[in-house]
Amino acid sequence: NAGVTQTPKFQVLKTGQSMTLQCAQDMNHNSMYWYRQDPGMGLRLIYYSASEGTTDKGEVPNGYNVSRLNKREFSLRLESAAPSQTSVYFCASSEFWQPQHFGDGTRLSIL
Amino acid sequence: QKEVEQDPGPLSVPEGAIVSLNCTYSNSAFQYFMWYRQYSRKGPELLMYTYSSGNKEDGRFTAQVDKSSKYISLFIRDSQPSDSATYLCAMSGSGETGANNLFFGTGTRLTVIP
Repeated sequence: NAGVTQTPKFQVLKTGQSMTLQCAQDMNHNSMYWYRQDPGMGLRLIYYSASEGTTDKGEVPNGYNVSRLNKREFSLRLESAAPSQTSVYFCASSEFWQPQHFGDGTRLSIL
Repeated sequence: QKEVEQDPGPLSVPEGAIVSLNCTYSNSAFQYFMWYRQYSRKGPELLMYTYSSGNKEDGRFTAQVDKSSKYISLFIRDSQPSDSATYLCAMSGSGETGANNLFFGTGTRLTVIP
């Protein structure tokens, strides 16, 4: 049982390049989330999907788009990467009103 | 003011010590309270989950919630070197959509010295 799987684990981009981060969960959870984690800032919610077919903005959505492909998969897209988006990105999933379960993150550097 | 405040530490204790980790918050709508443990280069792992006020114990770990003071704590008894990690508090309200959107503290880095 893999839980939440994120790909890739590491990526280096140049400013202006685009990229999609992938996330899949095998726990049959309804809700999925994308966070970024920066030193001194903690985890901040970028976007979430309460259930299949819905997506909503979190605290820091600017510069990102998301797609809830199906119940298992939730992707995060950077259309034109900026150095300020250098961060560690975490995907999580949960059942309704239950604690979230996290993947091991994607470490993204933008030069 | 951030919604959730947590002392970042770092905190170093000898093996066997009792560790106390704390968070304060400002949003009285928070009802669900969690503690996550995060090892280096890993994702957060759920340790404790409580609803509303009160205490919850699980092995060496005890979580306390005082909603009147907007204060939560995690106690670790008989601390072990394997407890060395960053501890994140997190909390949420009861959103209508069912999504449990969490607000996190910045984390406290703990080192347990053998």
